[in-house]
Amino acid sequence: EAGVAQSPRYKIIEKRQSVAFWCNPISGHATLYWYQQILGQGPKLLIQFQNNGVVDDSQLPKDRFSAERLKGVDSTLKIQPAKLEDSAVYLCASSKEDGDTQYFGPGTRLTVL
Amino acid sequence: GEDVEQSLFLSVREGDSSVINCTYTDSSSTYLYWYKQEPGAGLQLLTYIFSNMDMKQDQRLTVLLNKKDKHLSLRIADTQTGDSAIYFCAETPSTGFQKLVFGTGTRLLVSP
Repeated sequence: EAGVAQSPRYKIIEKRQSVAFWCNPISGHATLYWYQQILGQGPKLLIQFQNNGVVDDSQLPKDRFSAERLKGVDSTLKIQPAKLEDSAVYLCASSKEDGDTQYFGPGTRLTVL
Repeated sequence: GEDVEQSLFLSVREGDSSVINCTYTDSSSTYLYWYKQEPGAGLQLLTYIFSNMDMKQDQRLTVLLNKKDKHLSLRIADTQTGDSAIYFCAETPSTGFQKLVFGTGTRLLVSP
């Protein structure tokens, strides 16, 4: 069974630029999560989707971050405009249903200069 | 509130046992997890324990849960150099959807 795929693996941008990350969850997984992991910290949930609907985006900085999962499969996370403090690893995870075990992708490491 | 704490660093010799500790605040957490993160990689689920259990063993891994003290530990027997990584404990809070709340991670260094 293929795992969670993410791209790109690394991205370097300058502040105020825009960036987008892509995630393809495990086939058949209804729930998809985006986490932000700042260096030296544990991952923090940004947004959770159940199929193509948002169920928790309470910690998403909505003035600059947006995410979508239009067909209930792949998801994109966008930052516009980026700030220095957005430098982090962005992890995507999926689970069969809400409450099931979450499986993580390799992450995208973002550096904002 | 939701808060998970771990010690930052642990160093052991190959062949010894490692014990990584974690404290959490949500006494109604349903599941508690241990994840492993190697450099440049995502998080790999190691094991989990349901809140009505006090111990779970899985090969070299033993998880102990003390609900009264809200303390979780992960014991790795016969630690190998390949076990060197960052270990995160995580809880699923009792309120809302089943997001994971992670600790800060414990960096385990295993020396030959």
